[in-house]
Amino acid sequence: AQSVTQPDIHITVSEGASLELRCNYSYGATPYLFWYVQSPGQGLQLLLKYFSGDTLVQGIKGFEAEFKRSQSSFNLRKPSVHWSDAAEYFCAVGAPWGSWGKLQFGAGTQVVVTP
Amino acid sequence: ETGVTQSPTHLIKTRGQQVTLRCSSQSGHNTVSWYQQALGQGPQFIFQYYREEENGRGNFPPRFSGLQFPNYSSELNVNALELDDSALYLCASSQKDEQYFGPGTRLTVT
Repeated sequence: AQSVTQPDIHITVSEGASLELRCNYSYGATPYLFWYVQSPGQGLQLLLKYFSGDTLVQGIKGFEAEFKRSQSSFNLRKPSVHWSDAAEYFCAVGAPWGSWGKLQFGAGTQVVVTP
Repeated sequence: ETGVTQSPTHLIKTRGQQVTLRCSSQSGHNTVSWYQQALGQGPQFIFQYYREEENGRGNFPPRFSGLQFPNYSSELNVNALELDDSALYLCASSQKDEQYFGPGTRLTVT
């Protein structure tokens, strides 16, 4: 069965420290991979996406993610966290065929940033 | 701002009632997907519309239905509302490899 797992429900990080959010997936083929961020009461904003090619993907707001096929992982990183990065982060996968916009999301990781 | 708008922002309904949620897609986007996000969970795919036809459906019962109009805007209809239908409903419009989400409609069923 297809699944997306975000092992960390909640992460607390100090402002200026690095951040890494984990995402593992189970899929029949290499899917399209996405990271979204959601601030309270808001919709989802796309941080970055991976379709193919270079396995290190750069996104907005200083985020990057690395696709590791052998580990079925797509972890999100940021070298130095800002207070405005406090939000919920979702990893998502989509089928790499047909109309791909039917995404399966993980349960999310809540990020708290402390001064 | 993504250009995807949803209405209403919030609404409260009673169990057994019917509700219609609306989504206006980003200009030029011919595909609209709807998601349900229960509190504390990730969004779950309900269905997708492409050029006015349903193009895939998630694990939701038939009382969840939709429409897409010639201008690519869309409606989500839910009949016989249940308490568990309380959630944030998100629509997303897409074309090629870009997908943009609206701010959502918060539905509360009492």
